[in-house]
Amino acid sequence: AQSVTQPDIHITVSEGASLELRCNYSYGATPYLFWYVQSPGQGLQLLLKYFSGDTLVQGIKGFEAEFKRSQSSFNLRKPSVHWSDAAEYFCAVGITGFQKLVFGTGTRLLVSP
Amino acid sequence: DAGVIQSPRHEVTEMGQEVTLRCKPISGHDYLFWYRQTMMRGLELLIYFNNNVPIDDSGMPEDRFSAKMPNASFSTLKIQPSEPRDSAVYFCASSLVTYRASYNEQFFGPGTRLTVL
Repeated sequence: AQSVTQPDIHITVSEGASLELRCNYSYGATPYLFWYVQSPGQGLQLLLKYFSGDTLVQGIKGFEAEFKRSQSSFNLRKPSVHWSDAAEYFCAVGITGFQKLVFGTGTRLLVSP
Repeated sequence: DAGVIQSPRHEVTEMGQEVTLRCKPISGHDYLFWYRQTMMRGLELLIYFNNNVPIDDSGMPEDRFSAKMPNASFSTLKIQPSEPRDSAVYFCASSLVTYRASYNEQFFGPGTRLTVL
């Protein structure tokens, strides 16, 4: 069965430092991969997505993610974190032909001054 | 576009009462999804519709939950009777699948925070 693992429940990063959030997926076919961000009290907003082609994808708010098929990973990165990036981040895999997403459990990002 | 609209934003009810959550998808979107988010179980897909027809309701926890989509611009999720363990944030999302992409982004509403006492 399809699954997504986000091994880090919480991560604290200093403002201005770089960030990497980990995501591993289990899916037999070519995956559709997504990163969403959820600010407190808000719904989920798409940061970026990977369907095919270039394995390094750029998203909004200065985020990028790299798809590595050999490692079944789709890690999210940002070179310099801002206090406004504090939120919960969800990785998700799309199930081909069914238009539904399987989400990871999320990683809560805390940004320290 | 106003985005996905959900109402109410907050709902507090007593155990045994009927609860109805409402969702208006983005105009023109042909898929609608209902999710539930809790600390213990994370984000779970409950049911989704395509062109107003339920496609997969395998995530609906039990018969107390029901969802309808009478037209392309409105959907409801009903819990009857409600129980304290139903307390969660319920999200509605919609998407549009075009011929150019076999998979498209889901746009989420702000959610309804349900508390069952």
